[in-house]
Amino acid sequence: DVVMTQTPLSLPVTLGQPASISCKSSQSLVSADGNTYLSWLQQRPGQPPRLLIHKISNRFSGVPDRFSGSGTGTDFTLKISRVEAEDVGVYYCMQSSQYPLTFGPGTKVDIK
Amino acid sequence: EVQLVESGGDLVQPGGSLRLSCAASGFTLSDQLMDWVRQAPGKGLEWVGRSRNKAKSYTTEYAPSVKGRFTISRDESENSVYLQMNSLMTEDTAVYYCVALGHWGQGTLVTVSS
Repeated sequence: DVVMTQTPLSLPVTLGQPASISCKSSQSLVSADGNTYLSWLQQRPGQPPRLLIHKISNRFSGVPDRFSGSGTGTDFTLKISRVEAEDVGVYYCMQSSQYPLTFGPGTKVDIK
Repeated sequence: EVQLVESGGDLVQPGGSLRLSCAASGFTLSDQLMDWVRQAPGKGLEWVGRSRNKAKSYTTEYAPSVKGRFTISRDESENSVYLQMNSLMTEDTAVYYCVALGHWGQGTLVTVSS
């Protein structure tokens, strides 16, 4: 199975400041079709998860452009350019290049 | 607008069975793959299984932890996907979400306890 790791696991942030979360996979996520199926999800308190980014860097519909994704192969990053209060929650990376699909442990983002 | 509504969660004894439903709207169910993902209380996300689309004969994949116990099926006439769960164990206690086209339902809670 592909193991996903995230750092940090806890991220206190200042409103208006940038934030960054790293995700690493134990194997390359480049699929046979040439795509890299790495997604980022946000889970606000008491809510179901919500897709933010798919295929490394593609924002899902309705996602603000302050969220961006980057990376290649086994190393990926989610960046929030200016954190807002509504960004509090847990962020997960997920790979769907290989079965079983696997998630990172989550990074809890809260306001300092 | 894509909508996914899960139902069927309940309290069940270890060794018991339960069937979850996911009612889909806003898209053509047969064209899309569907995933089930679960989240144990206070824990992270765990993928449960996948049903591919009609073009891929609705073939399925499962997580090792549920393979042989859980089965995903569909009823296109009902626009629904189902998760049949047998031989339930306490570690299957979780909120179960269905996922399609990047959208997640609100989830349904399954509690396995004596």
